[in-house]
Amino acid sequence: GAGVSQSPSNKVTEKGKDVELRCDPISGHTALYWYRQSLGQGLEFLIYFQGNSAPDKSGLPSDRFSAERTGGSVSTLTIQRTQQEDSAVYLCASSFVRAGEQYFGPGTRLTVT
Amino acid sequence: GENVEQHPSTLSVQEGDSAVIKCTYSDSASNYFPWYKQELGKRPQLIIDIRSNVGEKKDQRIAVTLNKTAKHFSLHITETQPEDSAVYFCAAHNTDKLIFGTGTRLQVFP
Repeated sequence: GAGVSQSPSNKVTEKGKDVELRCDPISGHTALYWYRQSLGQGLEFLIYFQGNSAPDKSGLPSDRFSAERTGGSVSTLTIQRTQQEDSAVYLCASSFVRAGEQYFGPGTRLTVT
Repeated sequence: GENVEQHPSTLSVQEGDSAVIKCTYSDSASNYFPWYKQELGKRPQLIIDIRSNVGEKKDQRIAVTLNKTAKHFSLHITETQPEDSAVYFCAAHNTDKLIFGTGTRLQVFP
C-alpha cells in the first residue's frame, strides 16, 4: 500500500514569508508525528497528533510554528515569518497506534533565503 | 524528560567485520526502542526494534540487545557489507514520542 507522503518535496522561500508543509499518513494510522532534521543532525521532535488532537506540542520551537490535522488524516505544519534558522528537512511519520512502529515520509526540504 | 545518548558518532569497519552501536537512555519508563537506518538524502527506515519485556532480538545479520537495569541498548551488525553504510539512529519511546540519539555514521570499506 501507499506509504507516508509529503509535499512539497522542496520549498525555497524568502525570509519573512509563511510556508505550509503537508503530510499524508498511511491510511488507518491514528498517530502522526512531525520532526525536523537540520543538515547532518539528528531528528528533533516537533509535535504529535493522536487523531485530530495534539497532546504534545512541546517540541515546537516558537509560536511561529503551528500544526493541525483534519479528519484524522492529513496534517499541515505552518511556519509563519520564516527565518533562516528554519532551513531544514521536515519529516512526518505515522503509526497505527501510539508507541507503535513509525513510518517516515520522504520529507520536505525547506530553504529560507 | 528523556535523553538518549549514542556512541560512536562515526564508525569505520572493513567489509565482513562486525559493527556495534551503543545507546543509553535516562527515563526508566521508556518501553520501546527502535533503530532506524538513513541513507544519504533518504528517509529514515526502521530496521529493528525491541520492547522492554525482551532482552534480545535478531533479524538475519542484525541484532539488538537491551539492558533495562543499566538503561542501555545496542545494535549489532555482523558480516557487514558496503550497502550497510548509512547513518543509524537509536530511539527511545517515552510517553507519546520518540526521542532520538544523535546518530552514528557507519562506513563499510570493501
